[in-house]
Amino acid sequence: GAGVSQSPSNKVTEKGKDVELRCDPISGHTALYWYRQSLGQGLEFLIYFQGNSAPDKSGLPSDRFSAERTGGSVSTLTIQRTQQEDSAVYLCASSLIGGTLDTQYFGPGTRLTVL
Amino acid sequence: KQEVTQIPAALSVPEGENLVLNCSFTDSAIYNLQWFRQDPGKGLTSLLLIQSSQREQTSGRLNASLDKSSGRSTLYIAASQPGDSATYLCAVSSGNQFYFGTGTSLTVIP
Repeated sequence: GAGVSQSPSNKVTEKGKDVELRCDPISGHTALYWYRQSLGQGLEFLIYFQGNSAPDKSGLPSDRFSAERTGGSVSTLTIQRTQQEDSAVYLCASSLIGGTLDTQYFGPGTRLTVL
Repeated sequence: KQEVTQIPAALSVPEGENLVLNCSFTDSAIYNLQWFRQDPGKGLTSLLLIQSSQREQTSGRLNASLDKSSGRSTLYIAASQPGDSATYLCAVSSGNQFYFGTGTSLTVIP
């Protein structure tokens, strides 16, 4: 079946603009994760959804970042008033059940460049 | 906060050689540890997942070990091939959070 997909694959924006990044998880997967991978750094956990709920938002770097998930499926990560330090690859992953026993399946990522 | 370190940051080996990648973590209270590979411009692919109660997992030419008490894991790749060239990431889970290392960039020279 289809894997995790993300759109757009690349996004170039000007500082101060808002951007929306989309993630389509594998059908039937209840858990969804957002990560950020900055140049030369490891993956940084941002947020985790179980169904439509986000029990853990502690990874969001600032109040400019928000995420939602609707219908237990598609998720959108929104960054308001983008800054140059937001430039990174944003990765989405999904897993069947969530939690610690489950393998995460990753999408190809969205490369965000803030000029 | 959990910190995950991978050594070396980069590794270049001739084809056919066996090799070991290292991962260490600071908090031994983990639920599992996972090894991924990442190819340029692509997402991560899960290779092996070791539960905290396990000591190792094997898949084909890959073997991952876990020593939770010492905060270490190794990924052993046997008879390396050029197709193994990629960045290898380890990640540990604590609660609902996953902490990733910065990866080891592996190049296998034909």
